[in-house]
Amino acid sequence: QQQVKQSPQSLIVQKGGISIINCAYENTAFDYFPWYQQFPGKGPALLIAIRPDVSEKKEGRFTISFNKSAKQFSLHIMDSQPGDSATYFCAASMMDSNYQLIWGAGTKLIIKP
Amino acid sequence: NAGVMQNPRHLVRRRGQEARLRCSPMKGHSHVYWYRQLPEEGLKFMVYLQKENIIDESGMPKERFSAEFPKEGPSILRIQQVVRGDSAAYFCASSPPGGGSYGYTFGSGTRLTVV
Repeated sequence: QQQVKQSPQSLIVQKGGISIINCAYENTAFDYFPWYQQFPGKGPALLIAIRPDVSEKKEGRFTISFNKSAKQFSLHIMDSQPGDSATYFCAASMMDSNYQLIWGAGTKLIIKP
Repeated sequence: NAGVMQNPRHLVRRRGQEARLRCSPMKGHSHVYWYRQLPEEGLKFMVYLQKENIIDESGMPKERFSAEFPKEGPSILRIQQVVRGDSAAYFCASSPPGGGSYGYTFGSGTRLTVV
């Protein structure tokens, strides 16, 4: 119930392509869904986040698509660049304990030039 | 405006020793959270602290682990009698008053290696 399942574990995309990472959850009490980007040796940094009252949120080349009925959300990176190579984590939290994030296992993204 | 400062960046301890990890939150932030990241895994919540108070330690192992956030100084995560399984990256995040993961800023972590 508390899990967030993330796929794929790793992803290789050509420069200029679209990178897509998927997450699924079970707990319908989750109401905040952020994506974090982590470079080697660094802490995670918030990339973009969504709440369940919208189906899509876009910030620059990054888009979150959210499907409430399927309990799934995904990150799309358009025009992927080598600088996007990093590990991406989806996460979720509940209003009742909004300080505690439940994390997916991460996706290691490599953008080939 | 300095971010969340964690030190040391790398820590090597022999089995049975104590490890002390420090976290100074961002200026103006009064809430601190500790997470542990095992290799190839996502972060796992450990503890949530405010100044002089432990709010939620439900993710902390029952033995050997403790955390504090004193009135003055950084937050400390203490691991006594370390074992190989404690080897991980430990991340601290802070948020402003009002708390919540919405305002998280993470530090760069402390990588603990137990030999």
